[in-house]
Amino acid sequence: KNEVEQSPQNLTAQEGEFITINCSYSVGISALHWLQQHPGGGIVSLFMLSSGKKKHGRLIATINIQEKHSSLHITASHPRDSAVYICAVFMNYGGSQGNLIFGKGTKLSVKP
Amino acid sequence: DVKVTQSSRYLVKRTGEKVFLECVQDMDHENMFWYRQDPGLGLRLIYFSYDVKMKEKGDIPEGYSVSREKKERFSLILESASTNQTSMYLCASSLEDPGANVLTFGAGSRLTVL
Repeated sequence: KNEVEQSPQNLTAQEGEFITINCSYSVGISALHWLQQHPGGGIVSLFMLSSGKKKHGRLIATINIQEKHSSLHITASHPRDSAVYICAVFMNYGGSQGNLIFGKGTKLSVKP
Repeated sequence: DVKVTQSSRYLVKRTGEKVFLECVQDMDHENMFWYRQDPGLGLRLIYFSYDVKMKEKGDIPEGYSVSREKKERFSLILESASTNQTSMYLCASSLEDPGANVLTFGAGSRLTVL
């Protein structure tokens, strides 16, 4: 059973479109991370949030703790946004402090 | 610019060889992590360390060991490489636990075991 589910798995958009990627999780968490992975492997942290909304440039991340759901929005998408976007949650239980649980990622391709 | 540096981007090893993957961070972070990433499975935690000489098993520690003799360096060791350890290996670090801090990742090491 996947504790972190992302949708869609694959997304193709035209340049300029507004994009939404969703992440749902099944247990209590203390934080949720959004990560970006470009072809070639390197992963960059975009946001860490535990409530509300954060914005950085054209990227917006929201989280609804009660509904156990987060969204990542990209406004005015550009081909350079093409990447895999990964959601990860830090579980709110007294176990391993290292244990982020990762979604399988959403592969975004933005066409010019 | 803060950095996590992994020693090798690409490695090809033979079954049974001992493999060392090195990771160095320059941010004075307490926590360091080793993940592997496989298609369709996402990132999975192998081991992590929250202090020098301290280590904890992650979800898939079998066939791996780690070493953290200095705060800035976290090594992943495959004592006897097997073909099912062919994967992308990613090192990361964070100032405190990932419930309070973002992770900084290295560029990854793609290991092929023949």
